[in-house]
Amino acid sequence: DIQMTQSPSSLSASVGDRVTITCQASQSISRYLNWYQQKPGKAPNLLIFAASNLQSGAPSRFSGSGSGTDFTLTISSLQPEDFATYYCQQSYSIPYTFGQGTKLEIK
Amino acid sequence: EEQLVQSGAEVKKPGESLKISCKGSGHTFTTYWIAWVRQMPGKGLEWMGIIYPSDSDTRYSPSFQGQVTISADKSINTAYLQWNSLKASDSAMYYCATVEDPMVRASWFDPWGQGTLVTVSS
Repeated sequence: DIQMTQSPSSLSASVGDRVTITCQASQSISRYLNWYQQKPGKAPNLLIFAASNLQSGAPSRFSGSGSGTDFTLTISSLQPEDFATYYCQQSYSIPYTFGQGTKLEIK
Repeated sequence: EEQLVQSGAEVKKPGESLKISCKGSGHTFTTYWIAWVRQMPGKGLEWMGIIYPSDSDTRYSPSFQGQVTISADKSINTAYLQWNSLKASDSAMYYCATVEDPMVRASWFDPWGQGTLVTVSS
């Protein structure tokens, strides 16, 4: 199985901050990496697919980059509604695997 | 766009059986795969398996193979996740989600159902 490691596990930031979350795969997954946002008590929601493609309806302040084993999710200017947990997920091979999550909290 | 509606919360005793459902409301249910994802309390997301309702082709995560059964009834646009003998450790939120084609590497979970909370306690 491909292991996905996110960092940091948690992060405190302020409204307006630029935030970066990283995700590392245990082997090369090309660009087959997706990002999800999950708010408390809600189902996850797709933000970025195939490493850098913004899902329809997702705000443009979210962006993704990377290939191979190292990937990044960036929020250019944090908004109050962005405080949530973020997960990366590889679709390179079954079994699909997720990172352990990054909880983004208000400073 | 396909929308997924899951069955309601369940409270069961250890050893009991359970089948939860995920119903698609769009007209393309049989052209997508349905995945099941577990989220234990306060924990992350774990992929359990996936089914193609059109022909019931099913793939399981090794972690869940033999522990659950995934099935579907395409005539009613519904996928299922089933346990024969629940354990306390099965207590979790379970989500279904659509995947366009897992045989294509560029695939992702979207949309998701609202989740079904399963509580197993004596």
